[in-house]
Amino acid sequence: RKEVEQDPGPFNVPEGATVAFNCTYSNSASQSFFWYRQDCRKEPKLLMSVYSSGNEDGRFTAQLNRASQYISLLIRDSKLSDSATYLCVVTLNTGGFKTIFGAGTRLFVKA
Amino acid sequence: DVKVTQSSRYLVKRTGEKVFLECVQDMDHENMFWYRQDPGLGLRLIYFSYDVKMKEKGDIPEGYSVSREKKERFSLILESASTNQTSMYLCASRTSGLAGGTDTQYFGPGTRLTVL
Repeated sequence: RKEVEQDPGPFNVPEGATVAFNCTYSNSASQSFFWYRQDCRKEPKLLMSVYSSGNEDGRFTAQLNRASQYISLLIRDSKLSDSATYLCVVTLNTGGFKTIFGAGTRLFVKA
Repeated sequence: DVKVTQSSRYLVKRTGEKVFLECVQDMDHENMFWYRQDPGLGLRLIYFSYDVKMKEKGDIPEGYSVSREKKERFSLILESASTNQTSMYLCASRTSGLAGGTDTQYFGPGTRLTVL
């Protein structure tokens, strides 16, 4: 079983739609959680951190459920420019910090 | 503006060649990382370094070595390239500080290596 699992998609949605991605992690010692965005042929970039209380940044909302060990990302009012791959990222403290990247969920937003 | 640069965007090498991939960051970060990214597998950590001359194996170090002689520069070396090392290679850096592993990783643009 992968340490961080995501639905690879692709998710094909029309502009204006709301789309949600889930990510599960297997290690209960996971400490920090992030969503990164990766555009085609580009490097990953931090989209947002995920806090236990949930957090929102404009059209993006991230949630963490420690009991069920999953993280979610909700995108409201999708834009064409949201088309990208979204990577779920988890950091463990195993003596040193270890960062684990999910394989990503691909999103296509169409006009 | 933070910056991580990699020496090449695209590289084509032959089996058995020695390959050097260079990464430079200008943020005075202590931690630097080399990943490879393959479809369906995501980013996998090859090696990382938390200080000059220090290195630690990641999840898939076989066939690779690294060098960190200066804080800003982290090199990945393929001693004898093989076709299964064809991949996208991404370098990243991160400050350590008190937040440790919670800090953002900043990635370079990647090097797409093809080994023929």
